Amino acid sequence: ELKVEQNPLFLSMQEGKNYTIYCNYSTTSDRLYWYRQDPGKSLESLFVLLSNGAVKQEGRLMASLDTKARLSTLHITAAVHDLSATYFCAVDSSGTYKYIFGTGTRLKVLA
Amino acid sequence: DTEVTQTPKHLVMGMTNKKSLKCEQHMGHRAMYWYKQKAKKPPELMFVYSYEKLSINESVPSRFSPECPNSSLLNLHLHALQPEDSALYLCASSRTSGGPSTDTQYFGPGTRLTVL
Repeated sequence: ELKVEQNPLFLSMQEGKNYTIYCNYSTTSDRLYWYRQDPGKSLESLFVLLSNGAVKQEGRLMASLDTKARLSTLHITAAVHDLSATYFCAVDSSGTYKYIFGTGTRLKVLA
Repeated sequence: DTEVTQTPKHLVMGMTNKKSLKCEQHMGHRAMYWYKQKAKKPPELMFVYSYEKLSINESVPSRFSPECPNSSLLNLHLHALQPEDSALYLCASSRTSGGPSTDTQYFGPGTRLTVL
């Protein structure tokens, strides 16, 4: 059974600081997704990572994938308050329709 | 346009009521999904439709009944729900289902359901 774990579960950080969120998964998967969710809102797609060594960047966020280690990271550079949200990774379960979501990381950026 | 719409935004119902949630997308996606999300938890998959046919039912109680009338519409019929069914119900769609392409799921805004 595919399991996806994120850490930390909760992250409080100062504006301007850097930090990394980790997403580990238990079995082979070809695709990994990162989503953002604001409180009471829906999920917004951030990144799709399709192969080993894939790196994608958008603004202050950069995501990477190491399929051998079954690990993805979401790196935050010089955090700003607007990045406060919950971030989920999700892994495609062996090319099926099923996403397995990670536990989520609640990020709070303090001014 | 990557928009998935859902109605209603909020729904309050009693345990004896029958109601329906509606989801619509016009992106030509052929896979559509229902998720349930409780507060501070990740979304939990309920159903998957592929090419208008139910392909995955994650052992969801029969008081939830999905329907896919056409490739753009997905309904979730609710009957005799319990208070513990109160949650955010999210609809999503994706371009393909299980193929080699990038199958990003695009989520609707959700319906906040409260069962009294």
